[in-house]
Amino acid sequence: AQTVTQSQPEMSVQEAETVTLSCTYDTSESDYYLFWYKQPPSRQMILVIRQEAYKQQNATENRFSVNFQKAAKSFSLKISDSQLGDAAMYFCAYLYNNNDMRFGAGTRLTVKP
Amino acid sequence: DTEVTQTPKHLVMGMTNKKSLKCEQHMGHRAMYWYKQKAKKPPELMFVYSYEKLSINESVPSRFSPECPNSSLLNLHLHALQPEDSALYLCASSQEVAGVRHEQFFGPGTRLTVL
Repeated sequence: AQTVTQSQPEMSVQEAETVTLSCTYDTSESDYYLFWYKQPPSRQMILVIRQEAYKQQNATENRFSVNFQKAAKSFSLKISDSQLGDAAMYFCAYLYNNNDMRFGAGTRLTVKP
Repeated sequence: DTEVTQTPKHLVMGMTNKKSLKCEQHMGHRAMYWYKQKAKKPPELMFVYSYEKLSINESVPSRFSPECPNSSLLNLHLHALQPEDSALYLCASSQEVAGVRHEQFFGPGTRLTVL
C-alpha cells in the first residue's frame, strides 16, 4: 500500500524568509500524481501545487515550488518570501490512477512577523 | 465556476436526530468524495462516487448513508450518530477520465457536533 510520510509535525518561519516542508512516499508505481494542499484555520483545503511523476521538471506556482526526487521518493515544498497568510496546515498527498488519495499527517506552519 | 459548496456550515444534532449534509459542484467532475476530518488530522476517506455510482465505501458505519442524486450533487444522510462522530465533514470532487482521477477540489466543510 502507498504511504505518505511528513516527518515535521510543526515548522516555523520568519516573515519574508524561505521554508521547506518535507514529504516522502512509498510506491511501486511509476506514474502517479503528488500534491501539496494547504488548510488555513478557516479549514478549507486548497490545492497549492501538483506534480506528475512522469515530468522531470519541478512544478512551481509563484512563491511555491517543489523539489521532486523520484528515485528517492521525496517531494518537498519550498515557500519563498513567506507571508502571514501562509500560516496553515500543509498536507502532502499521493494519487495513483483511480485509487484513493493518500494524505500525510500534515505539517503545521507558523509564520512569525 | 470552480467551487465546491457545502451546506450547512455548522450543524449540531442529538443522537436521535436525522439530518443531511449537502455538497454541490458545477465543474463537470464525475468523481465526488466524502471525508471525515478530526482536529489536527488528515482527512479520512469515507465514500467515493464515480459517475453517480458508489465506488468506494471505506467500511463506514451504516448510520452514515451517502446519496448522489445527479452528477452535481452529493448528500450524506445522518441518523443515530454518536458523539465520536463529531468532526469536520469535507466534500471533494475531481475529474475522472478513462478511469483516471485527477486532483481533488474541496468544499469548506460542515462542522458537525453530536450531543
